[in-house]
Amino acid sequence: EVQLVESGGGLVQPGRSLKLSCAASGFTFSNYYMAWVRQAPKKGLEWVATISTSGSRTYYPDSVKGRFTISRDNAKSSLYLQMNSLKSEDTATYYCARETLYYGPTGYFDYWGQGVMVTVSS
Amino acid sequence: DTVLTQSPALAVSPGERVTISCRASESVSTGMHWYQQKPGQQPKLLIYGASNLESGVPARFSGSGSGTDFTLTIDPVEADDTATYFCQQSWNDPRTFGGGTKLELK
Repeated sequence: EVQLVESGGGLVQPGRSLKLSCAASGFTFSNYYMAWVRQAPKKGLEWVATISTSGSRTYYPDSVKGRFTISRDNAKSSLYLQMNSLKSEDTATYYCARETLYYGPTGYFDYWGQGVMVTVSS
Repeated sequence: DTVLTQSPALAVSPGERVTISCRASESVSTGMHWYQQKPGQQPKLLIYGASNLESGVPARFSGSGSGTDFTLTIDPVEADDTATYFCQQSWNDPRTFGGGTKLELK
């Protein structure tokens, strides 16, 4: 059974940093792209970052580029999201997701974790 | 960015057929995928590649479309289908989601 378990969320002040982790099990982690997707309270879904199988390629939307860094440790089957210079608009539930490619280096999210809440507030 | 537009909400009776639409601001070919999210839960993949049913998803769910217009159909609708449904495109960078359609049962 595929399982993705996020950790590391919490309350953080604007401008500070936070690092999220995701522990994966039930599949060969190193064979899959992985991603972070967030959802602001009562809002829709927003893709935040994707990393290739080896970690050599990373992808971000403009909204977080230069502030967030996605990384992975295949030996530990773990995914990370380092979030710097946090803003109030980064407040959201952050989901770790497995990304299966569909025609090119992008795809769909076939497994999701339960999510971890990040609140950016003074 | 490719904007995906969904109707905000629908209300149907159990046993009926419901179609949920998603319109893209530019062509996404068949790179459209559908998710179901129940309150307090993470999203769940239903359909990938516009029309492919994800393993384990009931055959009551189906998807169609290509280019800019896509549809998720549930037939027949059951009480357990109360949820918000999101479309997502992966054809153009960045990956984007629709705003979601909240399905309520009468």
